[in-house]
Amino acid sequence: SQTIHQWPATLVQPVGSPLSLECTVEGTSNPNLYWYRQAAGRGLQLLFYSVGIGQISSEVPQNLSASRPQDRQFILSSKKLLLSDSGFYLCAWSQHPGDSKGYTFGSGTRLTVV
Amino acid sequence: AQSVSQHNHHVILSEAASLELGCNYSYGGTVNLFWYVQYPGQHLQLLLKYFSGDPLVKGIKGFEAEFIKSKFSFNLRKPSVQWSDTAEYFCAGPGGSQGNLIFGKGTKLSVKP
Repeated sequence: SQTIHQWPATLVQPVGSPLSLECTVEGTSNPNLYWYRQAAGRGLQLLFYSVGIGQISSEVPQNLSASRPQDRQFILSSKKLLLSDSGFYLCAWSQHPGDSKGYTFGSGTRLTVV
Repeated sequence: AQSVSQHNHHVILSEAASLELGCNYSYGGTVNLFWYVQYPGQHLQLLLKYFSGDPLVKGIKGFEAEFIKSKFSFNLRKPSVQWSDTAEYFCAGPGGSQGNLIFGKGTKLSVKP
């Protein structure tokens, strides 16, 4: 069966520090991978998605970047964090964008920038 | 641009009350619609989905939703809520540049015992 892992679960980082959040998927190959940010009262905002190794699309301009160095690994990064980067970050996967099964989400990373 | 909107930010109900959470979408193509639930401290889980066929879909834990194409709606219902239904509920549908899943802002449901 497929599983998705995200780490760390929580992170407190100072403003201006770098960020690296990791997400891996097991039990499937060539998944579509997604990074969402959940902010209170704003729902889930799609940040990045990837259809394959090295292929990244950004949905919103921001201070963050994403990379996919391996088929089942998706990384969210920042060179210098801002206070506004605080939030709950969720990784998800699906077989394709319009997958009728929906997306499967990881357990999330709570990022607090201080 | 495509969008998914949820009408209620926070709903407070007593146990055994009936629930209806509103969701409207704007998308002209093939519509796959979903409701996700996030229980306190847990990750997002799929509650139910509409892909095609019968517009009334049933999900886990007694939830159901009705796809009404003429109203662009996909409201979530449950006849009798329980304290354990306390959670945040998200409606989702296709959007973005590749038909990726986009979400409404969520509705927090608090059920008083």
